[in-house]
Amino acid sequence: DTEVTQTPKHLVMGMTNKKSLKCEQHMGHRAMYWYKQKAKKPPELMFVYSYEKLSINESVPSRFSPECPNSSLLNLHLHALQPEDSALYLCASSQDKFLEGFGYTFGSGTRLTVV
Amino acid sequence: SQQGEEDPQALSIQEGENATMNCSYKTSINNLQWYRQNSGRGLVHLILIRSNEREKHSGRLRVTLDTSKKSSSLLITASRAADTASYFCATHPDLGAGGTSYGKLTFGQGTILTVHP
Repeated sequence: DTEVTQTPKHLVMGMTNKKSLKCEQHMGHRAMYWYKQKAKKPPELMFVYSYEKLSINESVPSRFSPECPNSSLLNLHLHALQPEDSALYLCASSQDKFLEGFGYTFGSGTRLTVV
Repeated sequence: SQQGEEDPQALSIQEGENATMNCSYKTSINNLQWYRQNSGRGLVHLILIRSNEREKHSGRLRVTLDTSKKSSSLLITASRAADTASYFCATHPDLGAGGTSYGKLTFGQGTILTVHP
């Protein structure tokens, strides 16, 4: 299995809702990432997990809460989002954030709309 | 903040022509990668070039890296309509920058390539 699977593909949520995005990989990668991408912009790094521990938080608002229950699974819990949080959320994985010379494998993303 | 700047922002060519995209970056890097993105979906890793390499090939792709100018170029030869996509360069910081930089792959603004049949 050489894929990163993200669910759901589309999500519409109200500003008072709580929802979660899910990301799964079975490639044995030990680093996993969340990126946010607005229309016609590049992906922006949100969080980095290395060996199931949060190692980078790019000053993301607390209404986004990441979780890594095991080495194959990464969640992003959403609560009290704003309409400006509407974007494509991308999950990625790589062999190990400390190993140089490896590209990232991206999922196809969750397109989130906050109403 | 974004590390890389790419030009052109958009490129339109005919099938069979070559497409060249350029990327500039600001800080020392460990490696530079190129990704393709179709229609706002997931990114696909194309090629990686390390900071001590100057040129790399993969199929119809040729990447060059000039660390003295902090720039890279991606050449797609004999383009096809299926190459139509957004292309992003992404840089991985020099590991000497410290542990907090590990894993910070940062993307450039991207080039939108349209290949007309």
